[in-house]
Amino acid sequence: RKEVEQDPGPFNVPEGATVAFNCTYSNSASQSFFWYRQDCRKEPKLLMSVYSSGNEDGRFTAQLNRASQYISLLIRDSKLSDSATYLCVVNMNTGNQFYFGTGTSLTVIP
Amino acid sequence: GAVVSQHPSRVICKSGTSVKIECRSLDFQATTMFWYRQFPKQSLMLMATSNEGSKATYEQGVEKDKFLINHASLTLSTLTVTSAHPEDSSFYICSARSAGGLANYGYTFGSGTRLTVV
Repeated sequence: RKEVEQDPGPFNVPEGATVAFNCTYSNSASQSFFWYRQDCRKEPKLLMSVYSSGNEDGRFTAQLNRASQYISLLIRDSKLSDSATYLCVVNMNTGNQFYFGTGTSLTVIP
Repeated sequence: GAVVSQHPSRVICKSGTSVKIECRSLDFQATTMFWYRQFPKQSLMLMATSNEGSKATYEQGVEKDKFLINHASLTLSTLTVTSAHPEDSSFYICSARSAGGLANYGYTFGSGTRLTVV
Protein backbone atom coordinates (compact mmCIF):
# COMPACT_ATOMS: atom_id res chain seq x y z
CA ARG A 1 0.00 0.00 0.00
CA LYS A 2 1.28 3.45 -0.88
CA GLU A 3 2.03 5.87 1.92
CA VAL A 4 -0.04 8.57 0.27
CA GLU A 5 -2.84 8.02 -2.23
CA GLN A 6 -4.71 10.49 -4.36
CA ASP A 7 -7.29 10.29 -7.10
CA PRO A 8 -5.27 11.28 -10.18
CA GLY A 9 -8.31 12.73 -11.92
CA PRO A 10 -8.35 14.52 -14.24
CA PHE A 11 -10.89 16.94 -12.90
CA ASN A 12 -12.30 19.22 -15.58
CA VAL A 13 -14.49 21.93 -14.11
CA PRO A 14 -16.00 25.17 -15.44
CA GLU A 15 -14.84 28.52 -14.18
CA GLY A 16 -16.53 29.44 -10.94
CA ALA A 17 -17.12 25.87 -9.87
CA THR A 18 -16.20 24.40 -6.53
CA VAL A 19 -13.97 21.36 -6.58
CA ALA A 20 -12.63 19.14 -3.81
CA PHE A 21 -9.72 16.73 -3.70
CA ASN A 22 -9.10 14.05 -1.12
CA CYS A 23 -5.91 12.30 -0.13
CA THR A 24 -5.42 9.36 2.21
CA TYR A 25 -2.30 8.43 4.14
CA SER A 26 -1.31 5.13 5.62
CA ASN A 27 0.76 6.02 8.66
CA SER A 28 -1.29 7.15 11.62
CA ALA A 29 1.84 8.65 13.17
CA SER A 30 2.11 11.23 10.40
CA GLN A 31 2.79 14.67 11.76
CA SER A 32 2.60 17.29 9.05
CA PHE A 33 0.46 17.66 5.98
CA PHE A 34 0.66 19.92 2.98
CA TRP A 35 -0.86 20.66 -0.36
CA TYR A 36 1.56 21.59 -3.11
CA ARG A 37 0.76 22.84 -6.57
CA GLN A 38 2.80 21.75 -9.56
CA ASP A 39 2.45 23.30 -12.96
CA CYS A 40 3.47 21.32 -16.00
CA ARG A 41 7.24 20.72 -16.13
CA LYS A 42 7.86 22.97 -13.15
CA GLU A 43 8.77 22.48 -9.53
CA PRO A 44 6.13 21.93 -6.84
CA LYS A 45 5.25 25.02 -4.83
CA LEU A 46 3.72 25.03 -1.38
CA LEU A 47 0.06 25.96 -1.57
CA MET A 48 -0.80 25.55 2.07
CA SER A 49 -0.08 23.57 5.17
CA VAL A 50 -2.93 21.58 6.65
CA TYR A 51 -3.67 22.00 10.33
CA SER A 52 -5.77 19.83 12.60
CA SER A 53 -8.31 22.58 13.04
CA GLY A 54 -8.59 23.11 9.31
CA ASN A 55 -7.43 26.27 7.62
CA GLU A 56 -8.52 28.61 4.90
CA ASP A 57 -6.58 30.85 2.56
CA GLY A 58 -8.81 32.85 0.28
CA ARG A 59 -10.63 30.46 -2.02
CA PHE A 60 -8.72 27.45 -0.69
CA THR A 61 -9.74 25.43 2.36
CA ALA A 62 -7.76 22.49 3.74
CA GLN A 63 -9.08 19.95 6.19
CA LEU A 64 -7.47 17.13 8.13
CA ASN A 65 -9.31 14.09 9.43
CA ARG A 66 -6.91 12.09 11.60
CA ALA A 67 -9.46 9.45 12.53
CA SER A 68 -9.99 8.52 8.89
CA GLN A 69 -6.46 9.47 7.85
CA TYR A 70 -7.30 11.79 5.03
CA ILE A 71 -6.81 15.38 4.09
CA SER A 72 -8.84 17.44 1.69
CA LEU A 73 -8.49 20.55 -0.40
CA LEU A 74 -11.50 22.60 -1.45
CA ILE A 75 -11.22 25.24 -4.14
CA ARG A 76 -14.09 27.66 -4.48
CA ASP A 77 -14.86 29.91 -7.44
CA SER A 78 -12.31 28.16 -9.64
CA LYS A 79 -10.16 30.32 -11.89
CA LEU A 80 -8.44 29.36 -15.12
CA SER A 81 -5.14 29.92 -13.32
CA ASP A 82 -6.00 27.17 -10.86
CA SER A 83 -5.34 24.59 -13.58
CA ALA A 84 -2.43 22.51 -12.30
CA THR A 85 -1.60 19.28 -10.53
CA TYR A 86 -2.22 19.32 -6.81
CA LEU A 87 0.08 17.17 -4.72
CA CYS A 88 -0.77 15.85 -1.31
CA VAL A 89 2.35 15.66 0.87
CA VAL A 90 2.71 13.98 4.23
CA ASN A 91 5.61 14.16 6.67
CA MET A 92 5.70 10.88 8.54
CA ASN A 93 7.45 12.14 11.63
CA THR A 94 9.31 15.12 12.94
CA GLY A 95 12.24 14.14 10.75
CA ASN A 96 12.70 14.82 7.12
CA GLN A 97 10.87 12.10 5.25
CA PHE A 98 8.19 13.55 3.00
CA TYR A 99 5.89 11.37 0.98
CA PHE A 100 4.17 12.68 -2.11
CA GLY A 101 0.95 11.57 -3.65
CA THR A 102 0.85 11.11 -7.41
CA GLY A 103 -1.08 14.32 -7.73
CA THR A 104 -4.56 15.27 -8.89
CA SER A 105 -4.85 17.03 -12.21
CA LEU A 106 -7.25 19.96 -12.40
CA THR A 107 -8.27 21.79 -15.54
CA VAL A 108 -10.55 24.78 -15.23
CA ILE A 109 -12.48 25.37 -18.43
CA PRO A 110 -13.68 28.79 -19.62
CA GLY B 1 11.15 33.95 1.26
CA ALA B 2 13.50 31.02 0.98
CA VAL B 3 14.85 30.47 -2.53
CA VAL B 4 16.52 27.36 -3.87
CA SER B 5 18.38 27.65 -7.15
CA GLN B 6 18.93 24.52 -9.24
CA HIS B 7 21.17 24.32 -12.27
CA PRO B 8 21.06 23.32 -15.07
CA SER B 9 17.37 23.37 -15.87
CA ARG B 10 17.78 21.09 -18.82
CA VAL B 11 20.56 18.83 -19.99
CA ILE B 12 20.97 16.34 -22.78
CA CYS B 13 23.89 13.96 -22.55
CA LYS B 14 25.20 10.89 -24.26
CA SER B 15 24.85 7.50 -22.70
CA GLY B 16 27.85 6.66 -20.52
CA THR B 17 28.70 10.22 -19.57
CA SER B 18 28.24 11.88 -16.19
CA VAL B 19 26.06 14.85 -15.36
CA LYS B 20 26.31 17.12 -12.34
CA ILE B 21 23.29 18.97 -10.99
CA GLU B 22 23.70 21.79 -8.47
CA CYS B 23 21.28 22.91 -5.83
CA ARG B 24 21.92 26.13 -3.92
CA SER B 25 20.03 27.78 -1.11
CA LEU B 26 20.30 31.47 -1.89
CA ASP B 27 19.14 33.25 1.23
CA PHE B 28 19.32 30.64 3.94
CA GLN B 29 21.52 27.86 5.20
CA ALA B 30 20.33 24.36 4.48
CA THR B 31 21.80 21.70 6.71
CA THR B 32 19.69 19.16 4.87
CA MET B 33 18.72 18.98 1.24
CA PHE B 34 16.71 16.35 -0.54
CA TRP B 35 16.94 14.95 -4.02
CA TYR B 36 13.84 13.68 -5.79
CA ARG B 37 13.17 12.12 -9.13
CA GLN B 38 9.92 12.33 -11.03
CA PHE B 39 9.06 10.21 -14.04
CA PRO B 40 6.19 11.26 -16.31
CA LYS B 41 2.79 10.98 -14.71
CA GLN B 42 4.32 9.72 -11.48
CA SER B 43 4.84 11.27 -8.09
CA LEU B 44 8.06 12.70 -6.78
CA MET B 45 10.18 9.94 -5.32
CA LEU B 46 12.80 10.70 -2.71
CA MET B 47 16.19 9.47 -3.84
CA ALA B 48 18.43 10.61 -1.03
CA THR B 49 18.83 12.96 1.87
CA SER B 50 21.93 15.11 1.74
CA ASN B 51 23.42 16.28 5.02
CA GLU B 52 26.06 18.99 5.16
CA GLY B 53 29.43 17.60 6.04
CA SER B 54 28.42 13.96 6.11
CA LYS B 55 27.45 11.13 3.81
CA ALA B 56 24.10 11.17 2.13
CA THR B 57 21.38 8.75 3.09
CA TYR B 58 19.95 6.88 0.12
CA GLU B 59 16.50 5.43 -0.22
CA GLN B 60 16.08 1.75 -0.91
CA GLY B 61 16.72 0.90 -4.52
CA VAL B 62 18.80 4.00 -5.26
CA GLU B 63 22.40 3.18 -6.17
CA LYS B 64 24.74 5.38 -4.18
CA ASP B 65 27.63 4.72 -6.54
CA LYS B 66 25.58 5.86 -9.49
CA PHE B 67 24.02 8.92 -7.90
CA LEU B 68 26.83 10.70 -6.11
CA ILE B 69 25.80 13.37 -3.67
CA ASN B 70 28.06 15.99 -2.18
CA HIS B 71 26.95 18.55 0.40
CA ALA B 72 30.14 20.37 1.20
CA SER B 73 28.63 23.60 2.45
CA LEU B 74 25.44 24.87 4.05
CA THR B 75 24.30 26.35 0.76
CA LEU B 76 25.29 23.82 -1.88
CA SER B 77 24.46 20.22 -2.62
CA THR B 78 25.32 18.45 -5.86
CA LEU B 79 23.96 15.32 -7.47
CA THR B 80 26.13 13.61 -10.07
CA VAL B 81 24.54 11.00 -12.27
CA THR B 82 27.45 8.78 -13.28
CA SER B 83 27.53 6.67 -16.42
CA ALA B 84 24.08 7.87 -17.37
CA HIS B 85 21.76 5.61 -19.34
CA PRO B 86 18.51 6.37 -21.15
CA GLU B 87 16.51 4.96 -18.23
CA ASP B 88 18.01 7.70 -16.04
CA SER B 89 16.17 10.28 -18.12
CA SER B 90 13.87 12.01 -15.68
CA PHE B 91 13.05 15.22 -13.87
CA TYR B 92 15.40 15.66 -10.93
CA ILE B 93 14.52 18.16 -8.26
CA CYS B 94 16.05 19.23 -4.98
CA SER B 95 14.45 20.74 -1.94
CA ALA B 96 15.63 22.26 1.30
CA ARG B 97 14.38 23.66 4.53
CA SER B 98 16.14 26.47 6.33
CA ALA B 99 18.13 25.41 9.36
CA GLY B 100 15.90 25.53 12.40
CA GLY B 101 12.77 25.74 10.28
CA LEU B 102 9.69 24.05 11.61
CA ALA B 103 8.35 20.99 9.86
CA ASN B 104 5.02 22.71 9.45
CA TYR B 105 6.43 25.22 7.04
CA GLY B 106 7.20 22.72 4.32
CA TYR B 107 10.13 22.79 2.02
CA THR B 108 11.31 24.97 -0.82
CA PHE B 109 12.01 23.27 -4.13
CA GLY B 110 14.52 24.04 -6.79
CA SER B 111 13.21 24.57 -10.31
CA GLY B 112 14.24 21.08 -11.35
CA THR B 113 16.53 19.60 -13.97
CA ARG B 114 15.19 17.71 -16.92
CA LEU B 115 17.78 15.13 -17.87
CA THR B 116 17.62 13.38 -21.22
CA VAL B 117 20.15 10.66 -21.93
CA VAL B 118 20.48 9.74 -25.57
